[in-house]
Amino acid sequence: ELKVEQNPLFLSMQEGKNYTIYCNYSTTSDRLYWYRQDPGKSLESLFVLLSNGAVKQEGRLMASLDTKARLSTLHITAAVHDLSATYFCAVASDAGGGADGLTFGKGTHLIIQP
Amino acid sequence: EPEVTQTPSHQVTQMGQEVILRCVPISNHLYFYWYRQILGQKVEFLVSFYNNEISEKSEIFDDQFSVERPDGSNFTLKIRSTKLEDSAMYFCASRGQGFEKLFFGSGTQLSVL
Repeated sequence: ELKVEQNPLFLSMQEGKNYTIYCNYSTTSDRLYWYRQDPGKSLESLFVLLSNGAVKQEGRLMASLDTKARLSTLHITAAVHDLSATYFCAVASDAGGGADGLTFGKGTHLIIQP
Repeated sequence: EPEVTQTPSHQVTQMGQEVILRCVPISNHLYFYWYRQILGQKVEFLVSFYNNEISEKSEIFDDQFSVERPDGSNFTLKIRSTKLEDSAMYFCASRGQGFEKLFFGSGTQLSVL
């Protein structure tokens, strides 16, 4: 059974600081997703990582994937208040076929203080 | 950007009643999914649907659940006899060919009383 663990689960940080959210998963996978969710809202796709060593950046967010370590990171640079949200990583099982459902982590609730 | 559309946004029902949650996936997408999120908890996979049949389902997706794609645009989730523990936000999602973004709808908040 695929397990996905995120840490930390709660993070309060100040504007301007840098921080990293970690996502570990238990079995091999060829797809890892990062999502953002604002309170009461849907899931907004941030990144799709498909290969070992993949790195993607959008604004102050950068995601990377190490398939050998089964680890993905989401790095926040010079945080701003607007980035306050819950961030989920999600991993596809490696069963093949392409239609497999994603297993989500519990989410990291991020609060950025002015 | 294209959107996945879900209706209704809120549904209140009595325990034991049947509910149908509706979704219109993005028009050229091929893979369709239902997920749910109990308040304050993580998102859980229910079922995936491809080529007019179920591809994968989780343990949550038991005999009281069913999915249909009755025409070329709609994708529905039916819960035959709702239980209190079915109360959750239900998200529909769709994806095109290849391993690209999975787009989520805005969700249906189901409350079972």
